[in-house]
Amino acid sequence: ETGVTQTPRHLVMGMTNKKSLKCEQHLGHNAMYWYKQSAKKPLELMFVYSLEERVENNSVPSRFSPECPNSSHLFLHLHTLQPEDSALYLCASSQEDYGQRQPYGYTFGSGTRLTVV
Amino acid sequence: GQQVMQIPQYQHVQEGEDFTTYCNSSTTLSNIQWYKQRPGGHPVFLIQLVKSGEVKKQKRLTFQFGEAKKNSSLHITATQTTDVGTYFCAVPSPQGLSFGAGTTVTVRA
Repeated sequence: ETGVTQTPRHLVMGMTNKKSLKCEQHLGHNAMYWYKQSAKKPLELMFVYSLEERVENNSVPSRFSPECPNSSHLFLHLHTLQPEDSALYLCASSQEDYGQRQPYGYTFGSGTRLTVV
Repeated sequence: GQQVMQIPQYQHVQEGEDFTTYCNSSTTLSNIQWYKQRPGGHPVFLIQLVKSGEVKKQKRLTFQFGEAKKNSSLHITATQTTDVGTYFCAVPSPQGLSFGAGTTVTVRA
């Protein structure tokens, strides 16, 4: 497999359920991200893992919990979600050049379409 | 994070015509990136601009970074049905890329 792979592609869950989204990148990148894309809203950056360390984002509710066990894998654990959390959740990776701060383009996965009922 | 305004929000184009979408910031940008998201798809990286006044071309797409590095534009010539989708600009923020709201392009054949 190449690029960034996300599973599942679609997920329907009840408000009391616990589920996890998985992301795997095969590009050798050193940074991974979770974005939320809702209808009529810009892409919202939720979490960043850079060199496997999480960059804090205090604006995301605690019902979303990220996990990055290694540089190739990223999870988003979900529990007691609300209907307004229904959205497309996108994972992305990039190669950060910390020495020169030269940015590179992000590679996105196909996303998980989440519906909370 | 960094805020960027994209205009227009929607662009309805007759096939064969040209159009331009703009991205504006109130502060000076170190760089700007452009992405395209096809309907039902995910954002795909198109290009990055770093230098003041920089112009880059990809076939019918022309990307420009303003002299003051506060704005950028994407110009598409001779629009085709394959150009349908949403075009986003993205700028760096302390945590990661911050995306504009996007310009959604539809094409009339």
